[in-house]
Amino acid sequence: QLQLQESGPGLVKPSETLSLTCTVSGGSISSSNYYWAWIRQPPGKGLEWIGNIYYSGITYYNTSLKSRVTISVDTSKNQFSLKLSSVTAADTAVYYCARRGYSYRFDPWGQGTLVTVSS
Amino acid sequence: NFMLTQPHSVSESPGKTVTISCTRSSGSIASNYVQWYQQRPGSSPTTVIYEDNRRPSGVPDRFSGSIDSSSNSASLTISGLKTEDEADYYCQSYDSNDGVFGGGTKLTVL
Repeated sequence: QLQLQESGPGLVKPSETLSLTCTVSGGSISSSNYYWAWIRQPPGKGLEWIGNIYYSGITYYNTSLKSRVTISVDTSKNQFSLKLSSVTAADTAVYYCARRGYSYRFDPWGQGTLVTVSS
Repeated sequence: NFMLTQPHSVSESPGKTVTISCTRSSGSIASNYVQWYQQRPGSSPTTVIYEDNRRPSGVPDRFSGSIDSSSNSASLTISGLKTEDEADYYCQSYDSNDGVFGGGTKLTVL
């Protein structure tokens, strides 16, 4: 059974870079059928798609975040990562990683990790 | 890009049927698949409907999805409501390679 697990610092200072890693287990990140995604949810608010990456390194980003986001993949470790630069309090959220299927279905999701931006 | 608009909240009694709408602001709702996710407090979202109207294994047939081109909207219908259905529900679609989520609907079963 495929599982995803987010990891990274829970507290980031304003203006710094948020860095998270998603470890995939129970399946290969190099599967040709899937993309891998980051999604976030500010406390008490809705879901926001951040971006996707293919195992070859092809990426697609949310236009509103594109200037600050980098998603990368490490197939040797079966991991993909998120970097979000110049963070502010508005970037405080639970960050989820998920697998994206061909019909753009996100499934499964990781358990999520709360990242707070505060000095 | 387009937006997906959902009602902020809906409520209904146990045993009844409720329908949650998801209206696409531009472009045809039928152009790209729509998914529906259920999110209980403190948990990650899980799929209840994918590809407009397909149910993952393990999701009861009380959950159904549909598309209405005339109103450019998708709908999630839950029949025979149970208290365990109380949760937030999100519709989701895409455009080219960009994912789009609706704002979410809080379902209260009282």
